[in-house]
Amino acid sequence: EIVLTQSPGTLSLSPGERATLSCRASQSVSSSYLAWYQQKPGQAPRLLIYGASSRATGIPDRFSGSGSGTDFTLTISRLEPEDFAVYYCQQYGSSSWTFGQGTKVEIK
Amino acid sequence: EVQLVQSGAEVKKPGESLKISCKGSGYSFTSYWIGWVRQMPGKGLEWMGIIYPGDSDTRYSPSFQGQVTISADKSISTAYLQWSSLKASDTAMYYCARPRYSSGWTFDYWGQGTLVTVSS
Repeated sequence: EIVLTQSPGTLSLSPGERATLSCRASQSVSSSYLAWYQQKPGQAPRLLIYGASSRATGIPDRFSGSGSGTDFTLTISRLEPEDFAVYYCQQYGSSSWTFGQGTKVEIK
Repeated sequence: EVQLVQSGAEVKKPGESLKISCKGSGYSFTSYWIGWVRQMPGKGLEWMGIIYPGDSDTRYSPSFQGQVTISADKSISTAYLQWSSLKASDTAMYYCARPRYSSGWTFDYWGQGTLVTVSS
């Protein structure tokens, strides 16, 4: 089973700042099958990025994804107040899905 | 509009059985897989398993194999997650979600979640 490790666990930033979140896989992941989700308190997760770098429908262009192999990154170019949330990476392979443990982006 | 609507919150005692549901609408229910995801209090997301309602093909995460049963009734467009004997450690929010091949098997639609509390 592929293990996804996200870092940092918590990111303390101010609105307007840039956020860089990391997701590292225990073995190589196809870029086609790497995604990022946002979850706010009391809500279901929302798909942000699929295929490592493609934005889902309705996702603002301040969100971008990159990476390949075992190292992937989610970047939020300028944090808006509504972006403070928990972010999860997720991979699919061999009829199995795994999630990272999450990165919380909190207001500094 | 695609919607996944889950059954309401449950409070159960250890050892009791439970079946929660997820009703799909706005799409062909038998043509898409439906998965279940656990989120324990204050913790992250864990994929539990998935079912294809068209033929009831089911796959489980090794962590949940034998612990839960996933099923579906395509006549009423509903998927289920059930336990035969609940434990306190089953206390969690449970989400159903629909993965889509064209977006790399990501979960593009989610239910609102069902909170299961197991306490004596």
